[in-house]
Amino acid sequence: AQSVTQPDIHITVSEGASLELRCNYSYGATPYLFWYVQSPGQGLQLLLKYFSGDTLVQGIKGFEAEFKRSQSSFNLRKPSVHWSDAAEYFCAVGALNAGNNRKLIWGLGTSLAVNP
Amino acid sequence: EAGVVQSPRYKIIEKKQPVAFWCNPISGHNTLYWYLQNLGQGPELLIRYENEEAVDDSQLPKDRFSAERLKGVDSTLKIQPAELGDSAVYLCASSSGQGNTGELFFGEGSRLTVL
Repeated sequence: AQSVTQPDIHITVSEGASLELRCNYSYGATPYLFWYVQSPGQGLQLLLKYFSGDTLVQGIKGFEAEFKRSQSSFNLRKPSVHWSDAAEYFCAVGALNAGNNRKLIWGLGTSLAVNP
Repeated sequence: EAGVVQSPRYKIIEKKQPVAFWCNPISGHNTLYWYLQNLGQGPELLIRYENEEAVDDSQLPKDRFSAERLKGVDSTLKIQPAELGDSAVYLCASSSGQGNTGELFFGEGSRLTVL
């Protein structure tokens, strides 16, 4: 079955510390992978995406993610967290459906809190 | 380029009342989505439009929810009558469909509170 797992429901880090948010997926073909961020009271904003090529992708706000096919993972990282990074982070896989359209399968999200 | 626009941002109604949400997608985006997001959860697809055609409405509770996209541009999602459990954020998203990547662009959402 196609699925996305974000093992950490909630993470707290100190400002300036490094961050890694985990994402594992189950999908039989080459995945199209996304990380979205949702600040309180806002919609979802695309942080970065992976379709093919270099497995280390750079995104907005200083985030990066690495696709590891052998581990079925697409972990999100940031070397130094800012207080404004406190938000909900969602990992998603673009999976082909029966109509050959790509549909996003979402993880349940990881809530990030940042201590001053 | 303007993003996806939704209104209203917030709506408070009493149960059994009707409510409607409006969405204007990014110009040129033929595909429009309505998602439901409960507190602390990820988005759940309600309906997907390709132009004016609803191509995936399998998750839309059709007894009380309806949607339309008459001219293939903006869209309206209606709930009638609203129930307490409908309190959630209703997100609209659009995509160009280019490359069939699944990438979505979201509006800021409409937060519904049913009392």
